[in-house]
Amino acid sequence: DVKVTQSSRYLVKRTGEKVFLECVQDMDHENMFWYRQDPGLGLRLIYFSYDVKMKEKGDIPEGYSVSREKKERFSLILESASTNQTSMYLCASRTGGPSKETQYFGPGTRLLVL
Amino acid sequence: ILNVEQSPQSLHVQEGDSTNFTCSFPSSNFYALHWYRWETAKSPEALFVMTLNGDEKKKGRISATLNTKEGYSYLYIKGSQPEDSATYLCAPTISNFGNEKLTFGTGTRLTIIP
Repeated sequence: DVKVTQSSRYLVKRTGEKVFLECVQDMDHENMFWYRQDPGLGLRLIYFSYDVKMKEKGDIPEGYSVSREKKERFSLILESASTNQTSMYLCASRTGGPSKETQYFGPGTRLLVL
Repeated sequence: ILNVEQSPQSLHVQEGDSTNFTCSFPSSNFYALHWYRWETAKSPEALFVMTLNGDEKKKGRISATLNTKEGYSYLYIKGSQPEDSATYLCAPTISNFGNEKLTFGTGTRLTIIP
């Protein structure tokens, strides 16, 4: 079974803190994604990576950065957390190639920024 | 950003009844459509991927159809059960260039009433 894990299920941080959200997948997938989910807005893509050290901006990259130093790990970084970054964050991975391939999601991290 | 619409936003259905909901998307440059089910406190899970106009996929009591010319897909659930309660997400993708992203709709939240 494909497994995508995220470092925390719940996280509480203060405004201005630097926040790291970690995602690890065990299926040797080339592509990895970070989304946020907010009520009424669906899953919105923040950043994605189609290979080690590669990154592409998604639809809402402002206030975020990412790191992909190893194939299995994709980190989302909030350089200076703000209250409007309170959200559910989901990581996903899929094999490279055509976009008809299935994405596999992690369990999500619910982040509260105070 | 693709304009993906799902309707209705939420739905309450009596156990045993059948139901369906819609995903609408731009028909130009269509490549594939994904359906995901997202149960509370779990990860989104892939249901179907469809690529061809007229495609019909089935998984137990759940089936989906695809009309790429007019840009819509229907998801049907026959004889709803409490375990069908979830948010159902659709995500079209518009190219075959590889390593492309999905754009998710806001989802249809289905609640089955016992």
